[in-house]
Amino acid sequence: DVKVTQSSRYLVKRTGEKVFLECVQDMDHENMFWYRQDPGLGLRLIYFSYDVKMKEKGDIPEGYSVSREKKERFSLILESASTNQTSMYLCASNPAGGGGYGYTFGSGTRLTVV
Amino acid sequence: GQQLNQSPQSMFIQEGEDVSMNCTSSSIFNTWLWYKQDPGEGPVLLIALYKAGELTSNGRLTAQFGITRKDSFLNISASIPSDVGIYFCAGNYGQNFVFGPGTRLSVLP
Repeated sequence: DVKVTQSSRYLVKRTGEKVFLECVQDMDHENMFWYRQDPGLGLRLIYFSYDVKMKEKGDIPEGYSVSREKKERFSLILESASTNQTSMYLCASNPAGGGGYGYTFGSGTRLTVV
Repeated sequence: GQQLNQSPQSMFIQEGEDVSMNCTSSSIFNTWLWYKQDPGEGPVLLIALYKAGELTSNGRLTAQFGITRKDSFLNISASIPSDVGIYFCAGNYGQNFVFGPGTRLSVLP
């Protein structure tokens, strides 16, 4: 069963901490994405990557960075967590040329920053 | 950038009723997708549409790709309690997708 795995379902972190959210996919997909989901705002794209060591800013990249050292792994980094980064974070992937291929999503990480 | 609008934002229906929701945009898309998100989980793909006018079914679900390529609708027939969740539409641009804000469906027994 193909899947996208996010390492934590729930996280609680303190303001100012550096936070790593990990995502691994086993489908050999080239493209990987990080979204955050907030009530009433839907899914907003933070960063994406079409290849190893490649990254592109999405719609709301401020306060975040990413790392893609291996094809299967895409990490989201909160350099200094703030309370307004409390949210549900979703990782997704799809094949290259993926306009015709929907995303496969992970189960999400619900992050609370206190 | 591209934006999608979904209506209704939320709906409460009785078990057994049919449901209809739609998604509109000012932009043209080449692919429309419909996802469902169960509480506490990631979205799961329900239906993919690739051609204007296309009508596709998946069990009790039916979706259509609008002729103008700027809209899509999703129908659910004979709703059951497990249909509860948030339904998202998505349209593709390049290799990425833009998502609507979702329609939250509640099914009353």
